[in-house]
Order: sequence, then C-alpha cells, then structure tokens
Amino acid sequence: GAGVSQSPSNKVTEKGKDVELRCDPISGHTALYWYRQRLGQGLEFLIYFQGNSAPDKSGLPSDRFSAERTGESVSTLTIQRTQQEDSAVYLCASSLAPGMGTEAFFGQGTRLTVV
Amino acid sequence: AQSVTQLGSHVSVSEGALVLLRCNYSSSVPPYLFWYVQYPNQGLQLLLKYTSAATLVKGINGFEAEFKKSETSFHLTKPSAHMSDAAEYFCAVRAGYNQGGKLIFGQGTELSVKP
Repeated sequence: GAGVSQSPSNKVTEKGKDVELRCDPISGHTALYWYRQRLGQGLEFLIYFQGNSAPDKSGLPSDRFSAERTGESVSTLTIQRTQQEDSAVYLCASSLAPGMGTEAFFGQGTRLTVV
Repeated sequence: AQSVTQLGSHVSVSEGALVLLRCNYSSSVPPYLFWYVQYPNQGLQLLLKYTSAATLVKGINGFEAEFKKSETSFHLTKPSAHMSDAAEYFCAVRAGYNQGGKLIFGQGTELSVKP
C-alpha cells in the first residue's frame, strides 16, 4: 500500500482479555518498529524487526507482550491478559534498512483502551 | 548510547511570531536526527532530517533546523507561526546499527498558536 496501515484504529477491551494489533508496512520496507505512546507522553520503543527476525526486543514491558512478523510483511503485536496500564496508542513504523539516514514512516496508530 | 532531550513540554506563540522548539541530543557517533510532527489523533509525519549533508536543513511547511555539533543541538524554527502549526513535535535520533537503527524520541513539545 501507499503507507503504513494499522488495524484496528480503536480497540476497547476488558481487563484480562488478549488483544492483537496489526501493522501492514510499506511494501519493500525491511525494518519495522512498534512504539507505545501513553497519553501526554513521548514514544516508547517496544520492538524492532529486520525481516522476520527481531534483533531488539528490549522495549517490551513484560512477558505479556509479544510480536511476530511474517517475512517482510505484516506484523502483529499481541498483549495477553491486558491491564489498565496497557491503555495507550500503539504506533507502527517501517523504513528501508539499514541506511541510517532513512526516515521511518508511521501508521495512524491503534488506540487501545482497557476497561 | 543515544538520547534526546526536548526543552519545554509546552510552547505557546502568537500567530505570525517566531517558532523555536529546542532539542539537544547525546550521541557517541555522528548522529542522524529527525523532527516529526503529530497532529491530534494522527500518526507522526516527518518534518525534516539531518544526515550530515548540510547543517541547515529545510523541511516541509516552512520549518527548518540547524545542526550545531558544538552545542549538541538540533533546534526547530519557523519564522512565522500559523494556526495550523498547532501540534505535538518530536525530535528523534537514530540509534546505532547495534541497536537496529531504531528512532529514539524526545518527550515531545506541544505547540499552541494564539490568534
């Protein structure tokens, strides 16, 4: 597609349920990133994919969070047993790699609300 | 390791006034620096980037930024603010290859423009 696509755009879930967030990167972008943005705060790095491997998972806040990527395509971020503190906007970005001067292109985000 | 500090979480200017948003970085290697803008309920859009080609970088919507190595700064400016510039602005530095080239963001600066 023309840009990074994320779905759903909004998700309301009950505490304790599992959720899956999807990201479709720009075609040809080998690098994919997930970030979390809590209300009124900056972007918190979660995980980085190069192709379908994840060399950097250092930002995943707990073992309830996991992500996978199929080839150089779709990625899913899964949050198990959601907690209220998981409420945030989850942003996905993709870029050409490994050029350091290349910018990342962001999706519109998924707003997750845990009630 | 790289890091970014944005001075001032909120900046308010009058329409037509100079916009100055401050960003200081820390990097042990020559940095790649970016400014992104986020309008309400939207993803991040690239304003401009510094990739060592020129110290004064011009971006979209009349914004520009100057890389000053001696001051470790990459401040964003615009000569004359428009109402449409009201948004959240993020400065970011690209981490090294050993960190996957992920973008490390500052906390953001919310720009308000008064009529």
